[in-house]
Amino acid sequence: GENVEQHPSTLSVQEGDSAVIKCTYSDSASNYFPWYKQELGKRPQLIIDIRSNVGEKKDQRIAVTLNKTAKHFSLHITETQPEDSAVYFCAASLGDYKLSFGAGTTVTVRA
Amino acid sequence: NAGVTQTPKFQVLKTGQSMTLQCAQDMNHNSMYWYRQDPGMGLRLIYYSASEGTTDKGEVPNGYNVSRLNKREFSLRLESAAPSQTSVYFCASSETDAQAFGPGTRLTVT
Repeated sequence: GENVEQHPSTLSVQEGDSAVIKCTYSDSASNYFPWYKQELGKRPQLIIDIRSNVGEKKDQRIAVTLNKTAKHFSLHITETQPEDSAVYFCAASLGDYKLSFGAGTTVTVRA
Repeated sequence: NAGVTQTPKFQVLKTGQSMTLQCAQDMNHNSMYWYRQDPGMGLRLIYYSASEGTTDKGEVPNGYNVSRLNKREFSLRLESAAPSQTSVYFCASSETDAQAFGPGTRLTVT
């Protein structure tokens, strides 16, 4: 089955700096890669996603890049703000619209 | 639109007790999913239903059963709860790839 590894497990950044989270996947058939943000005690919320026919996608301060050859994808958050503090999960598609999730990255933005 | 709803929000069970977690969605999605979330382990798929009338095992199905009651509702049953089933349970639904999650049920088994 699909195995998604996510690094780092924790990330502390100064407000205004950038944050980068990286994920690798094992199944070359995966073609959809979403990122979810989960605030404490809340549900995971989809923040951005990318499909295998696209190399990069941006939405305001967040961007995702995908390298299909190397089987890795990354989330980039620029100009971090305190409200960016949360747990972020990457995922890769498995077929039948199933997803395999990474273990999560806890991001703390220091004021 | 309420999106994906789950009941109850919190539950405490004793070992050996049974219970059903309820999930409903009003987005007319075909696919529904049950996950458990444990610290440091992300979200692990318990069972999913690709469409009304079908259910399949996910990564961690042991100790659970599911019922896709109709297109809107997908329930998760614990027949004999064990402490290892202490977790936060999330239901999700999707029409294609993008899954929307419910608010979760925090379950403690003592």
